[in-house]
Amino acid sequence: DAGVIQSPRHEVTEMGQEVTLRCKPISGHDYLFWYRQTMMRGLELLIYFNNNVPIDDSGMPEDRFSAKMPNASFSTLKIQPSEPRDSAVYFCASRGGNWQGRAFFGQGTRLTVV
Amino acid sequence: DQQVKQNSPSLSVQEGRISILNCDYTNSMFDYFLWYKKYPAEGPTFLISISSIKDKNEDGRFTVFLNKSAKHLSLHIVPSQPGDSAVYFCAASTGGTSYGKLTFGQGTILTVHP
Repeated sequence: DAGVIQSPRHEVTEMGQEVTLRCKPISGHDYLFWYRQTMMRGLELLIYFNNNVPIDDSGMPEDRFSAKMPNASFSTLKIQPSEPRDSAVYFCASRGGNWQGRAFFGQGTRLTVV
Repeated sequence: DQQVKQNSPSLSVQEGRISILNCDYTNSMFDYFLWYKKYPAEGPTFLISISSIKDKNEDGRFTVFLNKSAKHLSLHIVPSQPGDSAVYFCAASTGGTSYGKLTFGQGTILTVHP
């Protein structure tokens, strides 16, 4: 298996633009997580899905952030409009029920909003 | 409200010696704990986990100890190797291995000198 695949790896955008981050989880995994890593707050959970259904979005910072999981093999995290304070590394992770609880992370998308 | 805390931002040890990374938590409902390792420009990778029904779990050079009364866990690496140099995150959850949300600490940068 190729692991969790995120795209793009790097994104530079101007303030006010829409940004879409993409994630393909590991096949067969029924949980998908979106995390954000910043120097100030470390790794924080934004939202997670179970069987494509959003379960907890309490970590989504503002209405400018939205996430979807239209099917078991694809998820998006959208920021509209983007702001400089959204600059961070965004990680997607997935987990299945038979992996002793371990979540597998993608390589992350480094977002810079200028 | 930081429920999982890693109070040491960094740790430096000599190759061959023991590395001890510490983590404290405040939420008594946490019942599953994990350690992740992260290299630059990569996503976190799972290292070792422990359920709250245990106080120790070993996997090769890595041992995690859990002290529930103190709400403290630690990761021991013996012997330490230069390749262990990375950022180490502890994480905690409720729901055992069927957890949804993982709460991470801020991370500890481990440097192992040859």
